Amino acid sequence: EVQLVESGGGLVQPGGSLRLSCAGSGFTFSNYWMHWVRQAPGKGLVWVSRIKSDGSIINYADFVKGRFTISRDNAKNTLYLQMNRLRVDDTAVYYCARDMDYDSFWGQGTLVTVSS
Amino acid sequence: SYELTQPPSVSVSPGQTASITCSGDDLGNKYVCWYQQRPGQSPQLIIYQDDKWPSGIPDRFSGSNSGNTATLTISGAQAVDEADYYCQAWDSSTAVFGGGTKLTVL
Repeated sequence: EVQLVESGGGLVQPGGSLRLSCAGSGFTFSNYWMHWVRQAPGKGLVWVSRIKSDGSIINYADFVKGRFTISRDNAKNTLYLQMNRLRVDDTAVYYCARDMDYDSFWGQGTLVTVSS
Repeated sequence: SYELTQPPSVSVSPGQTASITCSGDDLGNKYVCWYQQRPGQSPQLIIYQDDKWPSGIPDRFSGSNSGNTATLTISGAQAVDEADYYCQAWDSSTAVFGGGTKLTVL
């Protein structure tokens, strides 16, 4: 069974940092592009970042450039999102997603709340 | 930056056909995916590359894309189809989602 399990969310003050993790199982993690997508409470989906299967290509949405860093450890079947200089409007459920094409699969998400 | 526009809401009677549109500049020259998100759940891919079905998705869902508009059609809508639907396309190595459409089956 394919699984993606996010962790690392929580409450953080503005300007703080968090590191999200996404553990994959039930599939060959190293074969897939991986993505982070977020959803603010009651709002729509917003793509954050992606990383190629071997880590050689990385792209970010403009609003996180310079603040967030995506990475992966294929030996551990794990995707990461390092989030620095967090802002109140970064508050959202963060989903990791395998692929965004015919083989897409999403985790259940982890909630990040940025508040003082 | 590239934008995709969806109607905020669409209503359909059970057994009838619902259409959800997604508009963007020259969208017909991009591939469009559609995601379904039921309340409290994570999104699920229901259409990829404009009109293809992932494994396990019923064929009452269909997609098309031409000109500036992509369309998701749900034939014979069921109560279980009540959800938010999002279109998504790629523009310059950036994924863009539409704002989402809430489908009500009543």
